[in-house]
Amino acid sequence: NAGVTQTPKFRILKIGQSMTLQCTQDMNHNYMYWYRQDPGMGLKLIYYSVGAGITDKGEVPNGYNVSRSTTEDFPLRLELAAPSQTSVYFCASSYTYGDRSGNTIYFGEGSWLTVV
Amino acid sequence: AQKITQTQPGMFVQEKEAVTLDCTYDTSDQSYGLFWYKQPSSGEMIFLIYQGSYDEQNATEGRYSLNFQKARKSANLVISASQLGDSAMYFCAMGTGTYKYIFGTGTRLKVLA
Repeated sequence: NAGVTQTPKFRILKIGQSMTLQCTQDMNHNYMYWYRQDPGMGLKLIYYSVGAGITDKGEVPNGYNVSRSTTEDFPLRLELAAPSQTSVYFCASSYTYGDRSGNTIYFGEGSWLTVV
Repeated sequence: AQKITQTQPGMFVQEKEAVTLDCTYDTSDQSYGLFWYKQPSSGEMIFLIYQGSYDEQNATEGRYSLNFQKARKSANLVISASQLGDSAMYFCAMGTGTYKYIFGTGTRLKVLA
């Protein structure tokens, strides 16, 4: 019953370092997403993918990159980390669009990232 | 513009009582879905309940029900018989016919013993 799995759960980065947040899902979902959640705020979409080989920017893509080589995996790359990227990151997936009956977006457990 | 509004930043409820968390939405789409998620202090996002725009009956899942009033564009979450474990942040969200899910800013619920 894995669902959406993301790693690492916690990470401290120094300014200018790079890292990759890993995300994998075992529900054969076409759509995958990366969100960030700043303290006391809702979720903001960073990048999304509608299938293997297809990615696109969300609301706040600057400073991030993604790839989608398989249906299961959707890693998020942070290049040249900045303090403004301190946040909680959520990977999520859904079978299709959210207006369809019973379609739900499922989230990973979150990755707490601090840039110092 | 598509938007979700949660006007209650924080709520208190006595254990075993019912509580309503407000959510209003704005969209020009005819087909959309409304979701509620619970985020406990441990941080994960837990799906609670879904309501489709064409569903005529209000959704229910155990102690959770969604009071859907389409004409008023509201999708309030009702939690019956509150438990201490219900203390968490609750997010309302909307999915439409695109990739984009819109999330509200959340309501923090505290259940009092």
